[in-house]
This record gives sequence, structure tokens and C-alpha cells, in this order.
Amino acid sequence: NAGVTQTPKFRVLKTGQSMTLLCAQDMNHEYMYWYRQDPGMGLRLIHYSVGEGTTAKGEVPDGYNVSRLKKQNFLLGLESAAPSQTSVYFCASTWDAKTYEQYFGPGTRLTVT
Amino acid sequence: QQPVQSPQAVILREGEDAVINCSSSKALYSVHWYRQKHGEAPVFLMILLKGGEQKGHDKISASFNEKKQQSSLYLTASQLSYSGTYFCGTSYSGTYKYIFGTGTRLKVLA
Repeated sequence: NAGVTQTPKFRVLKTGQSMTLLCAQDMNHEYMYWYRQDPGMGLRLIHYSVGEGTTAKGEVPDGYNVSRLKKQNFLLGLESAAPSQTSVYFCASTWDAKTYEQYFGPGTRLTVT
Repeated sequence: QQPVQSPQAVILREGEDAVINCSSSKALYSVHWYRQKHGEAPVFLMILLKGGEQKGHDKISASFNEKKQQSSLYLTASQLSYSGTYFCGTSYSGTYKYIFGTGTRLKVLA
């Protein structure tokens, strides 16, 4: 039982490059979330999903796209990376956003130069 | 609409107590508390589901005042391991967005 895993753990991109971050969970959770955390700051919601095939915008969605083709996977895409997207990205999943805890992945450290 | 936490930062000596507050401008259905250590993912502490509910384990407890739209986290007889950043989190009624509070940095000194 791996819980929530994120791939890759570290990545350096040049401005304008694209990449996809993968989040996978093996707990059969319906809800999945992508957050970003800038140095010394809190967690900000980028996008989320309430079930397979669904996605919705969070608080800071610009510059990102997501897909949830399989229940266990939630992908976060950066089409044209910008230095402002340098951050630590956390994925989380839960059975229900209001009544259950969120299980977090270990994070992906992304640097855009 | 992000919940506001106070204080922003606090420094304690081992054995001292602390209270962290989380206030919302919107009605809260539930409140969750997490602790995050530097370079790590947040770790769940507890969830409060009902107004007036109080929960606790070990020397960390929390209360939820639905009327005042706020929650408080109580750390008693603090230990070095309590150091980290504490976040409250919530999902408001009518949405499945999950929003974290502004965070409180807590440092416990020997």
C-alpha cells in the first residue's frame, strides 16, 4: 500500500518548456487535489477532481491544466513553464473533502529557469 | 476567502503552551488541522465536524466554534517535536474546493 505517490520528485525546466506531473493513489479515493507551495508560504489550490473524468479550477489555475482519466491518477500539466511557477507541488487525495483527512504525496520540487 | 490564522509565528520554550486560531469569513462545515515540517508534506492532526466539538490526543487539542466561524488549536506542555508550520483547512458548504489557512509557524526551543 503505497498511499499517494508523485512523479518526478525533482525537475528543472527552462522557460517555455512543458511537463506533466503525475499523482497516483491506491486508496480508491474519489477526491484528488493539486496544490503549490512557494517558499515560506502556505498551500494554494490549483485544480481538483471529485471523481474519474471530472476536474475543476481551484484558486490559482492559470498556466496549468489537469486530467483525471483514471480514478487513481491525477495529472498536472504545465504547457509553457514560467519562472513564477517555480514551487513545490503537492498532490493529495481523500474519500470526502469535508469529513475525511487529506493524504499527501511527498511533493515535487520544480525550478523554472 | 482563505481562513486567517493568528498568530503568524510564535516561539516557545519546551513545556510552554500555545494557542493557534483560525478564523473564516464564511460559514465552516468542518475544520481540519495539519502540521508541516520543513521540506515535508503536511501531516493530518485532527478534524472537527460539528460546531462546539472539541477533540484532542496527547497534548494537542482543538475546538470549533461554528457561530464565530473559528477554530482554535491548543498545544500544551510543548515539545521540540511540535515545531513546524500549522495549517487549518476547510471545504466550504456548496463546494468541494479545499482551502488552507494562512499558516502559523511555531518554534519550540530547548
